[in-house]
Amino acid sequence: DAKTTQPPSMDCAEGRAANLPCNHSTISGNEYVYWYRQIHSQGPQYIIHGLKNNETNEMASLIITEDRKSSTLILPHATLRDTAVYYCIVRPPNDYKLSFGAGTTVTVRA
Amino acid sequence: NAGVTQTPKFQVLKTGQSMTLQCAQDMNHEYMSWYRQDPGMGLRLIHYSVGAGITDQGEVPNGYNVSRSTTEDFPLRLLSAAPSQTSVYFCASRVAGYNEQFFGPGTRLTVL
Repeated sequence: DAKTTQPPSMDCAEGRAANLPCNHSTISGNEYVYWYRQIHSQGPQYIIHGLKNNETNEMASLIITEDRKSSTLILPHATLRDTAVYYCIVRPPNDYKLSFGAGTTVTVRA
Repeated sequence: NAGVTQTPKFQVLKTGQSMTLQCAQDMNHEYMSWYRQDPGMGLRLIHYSVGAGITDQGEVPNGYNVSRSTTEDFPLRLLSAAPSQTSVYFCASRVAGYNEQFFGPGTRLTVL
């Protein structure tokens, strides 16, 4: 699986958009980009995934660069409950495992 | 739908003891997995199953056994607990071929 690089931490103001970057320069053509988050002491929660096109759901938007070497997760209106560790993961479709790195610790401040 | 459930939530063992962590899901998911998470680190895959009767090893399988006799249940057995197995254990499940993985609330295990 391709490796990902994320900043260790970032702060965000409540009500503002949070833009979380992820580098995955060795991604292969059939590998998807996934985002999960883990709120303190809870199990990870799926957020969104994509292959080439930008994706949006009720939680977030995923912007993938044209060369697919990096992506950005956007939380459009961050709330205090979005404070969590966010993991960017790449893997082929139907692979059985998710390889979690250290992620980005996002702190939303009032 | 209860989703993925895990028991117990907390457990303290002495070195050398054995125990079974329980995991169950009511979503009829084919794939189930066990992960461990050490403090300040990401999750690491211990064992996984792609269906009843089929299991395989993940990244860190030593010291753990699993079995999958039903679609719903995927217990994790610690054969002889060691302090290095102190961790938070997460069970997860998903539909085969689908991408979203559902995680349980975790079991916090301390081995003294």
